[in-house]
Formats: sequence, structure tokens, C-alpha cells
Amino acid sequence: QKEVEQDPGPLSVPEGAIVSLNCTYSNSAFQYFMWYRQYSRKGPELLMYTYSSGNKEDGRFTAQVDKSSKYISLFIRDSQPSDSATYLCAMSYGGATNKLIFGTGTLLAVQP
Amino acid sequence: DTGVSQDPRHKITKRGQNVTFRCDPISEHNRLYWYRQTLGQGPEFLTYFQNEAQLEKSRLLSDRFSAERPKGSFSTLEIQRTEQGDSAMYLCASSLGLDTGNEKLFFGSGTQLSVL
Repeated sequence: QKEVEQDPGPLSVPEGAIVSLNCTYSNSAFQYFMWYRQYSRKGPELLMYTYSSGNKEDGRFTAQVDKSSKYISLFIRDSQPSDSATYLCAMSYGGATNKLIFGTGTLLAVQP
Repeated sequence: DTGVSQDPRHKITKRGQNVTFRCDPISEHNRLYWYRQTLGQGPEFLTYFQNEAQLEKSRLLSDRFSAERPKGSFSTLEIQRTEQGDSAMYLCASSLGLDTGNEKLFFGSGTQLSVL
């Protein structure tokens, strides 16, 4: 079983829809939770960074962490064609290394 | 440009050849990471440096792989005797390296390696 599970999609939605992306994890030692966006043939770009359970909002993006259920989500409101990309969840234990453990990524297509 | 820079963007090589990639991190960042990403997968950790010291290596990093960061600035990743299974995107990331465990990693655009 992978430490971080993510539905690979693809997920296709019409422009303006609310998108929900999710990851589950198995190790309760994860402390930091991130969402990265990756366009084709580009490196991952940090979108959201959270530490505690609860919600964090940044513009059209909301990150949600539920440590009791080992479940994190990213919501995108008023989705745009420019949001079409692969969304990667990532987690770290913190500590000296701070290396990230990534999900497989969910491919999102927003149709105009 | 203040982002993480990687060179080359693409590399095609024949099996058995050696290849070297370069990464220039964000200038004030002390930590530098190498990740590998294959098609349809998330990036996997390979190794990281704190300044010039290589502090951790993944079991994914076989003896054919070597990474250096000689002056604590740019880093190189060399793969000797390449195999077809080495074909992947090699990503470099950097962070401030404050050792608080609360670090944000910023990635470069990667080097796409194809081994024929």
C-alpha cells in the first residue's frame, strides 16, 4: 500500500464548476500537507501549504485537512480552462529532511 | 529570473552512455533536492543537500547515480551507464533550509531524459 493515495483521474469538468480533488494517507506522522499544480512538461508549482487540520483559503482555492480521517482535499471554485493541469498532493513528516511524499497526481481538464 | 533553473531541458542518450544534469537553486536557498518523476506518477525523492553536504540518499539512487553540490550553490546529477529504466523527468527543488521542518520546496522545470 502506498503511503499517499490519489485518484489519477482524468477529471473533466465544465468551466465555472467547483472541482474537488482528494488524497488519503496511511501514516499519521505526516505533519505538513501541500498541493502542487503541474502543467505538461513543467515542474510542480506550489499552490497551497497547510499544517493543521482545518481549511485554508487562497483566492479560488481552498485546502482542507482532516487528520483524524487521514484525508486532504483541494477545492477549486469557478474553475477556468487555465486550471487544466495535473494536481499533486504532497506530505512531509517535517524534521531535518523535510522530503516530500507525493501522490500520483490527478489530471484535471476544464472544458470551455 | 529568481526561480530554480535546470539544464538541459531535454536529453536523449543511448543506453550505456553517461549523462550529467545541472541545477541552479534560488540564490538564498541552502537546501537542494533531486526528485525523479516517471509518466503518470508523482515525483520520488532521490537525495538532498544542506549547503554542500549530501545528507540523505534514497534507495532509488543506485551506485550509477552520483550528485554533487561542490560550493553549496549549483548541483549536478550524473548517471553512469544509463539504462532504459532511467528514462524519466529529473526534478530539482530548493528551499531555505532553516531546519524548522516547515519548509516550502520550489521546483525547477526538470530535465526530461530519454534513454534509447
